[in-house]
Amino acid sequence: DTEVTQTPKHLVMGMTNKKSLKCEQHMGHRAMYWYKQKAKKPPELMFVYSYEKLSINESVPSRFSPECPNSSLLNLHLHALQPEDSALYLCASSQVLAANEQFFGPGTRLTVL
Amino acid sequence: GENVEQHPSTLSVQEGDSAVIKCTYSDSASNYFPWYKQELGKGPQLIIDIRSNVGEKKDQRIAVTLNKTAKHFSLHITETQPEDSAVYFCAASIRGRGNEKLTFGTGTRLTIIP
Repeated sequence: DTEVTQTPKHLVMGMTNKKSLKCEQHMGHRAMYWYKQKAKKPPELMFVYSYEKLSINESVPSRFSPECPNSSLLNLHLHALQPEDSALYLCASSQVLAANEQFFGPGTRLTVL
Repeated sequence: GENVEQHPSTLSVQEGDSAVIKCTYSDSASNYFPWYKQELGKGPQLIIDIRSNVGEKKDQRIAVTLNKTAKHFSLHITETQPEDSAVYFCAASIRGRGNEKLTFGTGTRLTIIP
């Protein structure tokens, strides 16, 4: 299995809602990433987990809260988002943090009303 | 930090012709350079990569060249096909420091004209 899966595919939420994005990989990778991608822009790194520990936090607002329950799963908990947070949220994984070859999931298209 | 510039931002080529996308990077310590293809509604897909100890790498119709002295690298697609239409991103990172982070270029929208 060489795939990173993400659910849901689309999400619409109000500014007062709490929701979660989920990511899963079964490639035995030990590093997982969250990216945010605005239209016509490259992906921007948000968080990196290595061996289930938060390794990099790119100064992301606290309304985004990552969680890595185990080496195959990565969640992104959302609370009190703003309309400008609407974007494509991408999950990626790599064998280890130093491996560089990152494999992306299809993303969750998030719209904040 | 690293800065990656990518040109052109849009590129249209006739089916069967070649397409070339160029990127320059600023940090001479960067040693890993992947290329990603992103189709509409999908996540980026790694299509080819090159490390700094190699000058050129080829995979069927796709090739990447690296000039470390000039700090630029290029993606070459030959015999283009309609399914090559997508947005292509180059990236650079420093492998081996333990906090590897991909710095992406701004993207090139490639359109293949049938």
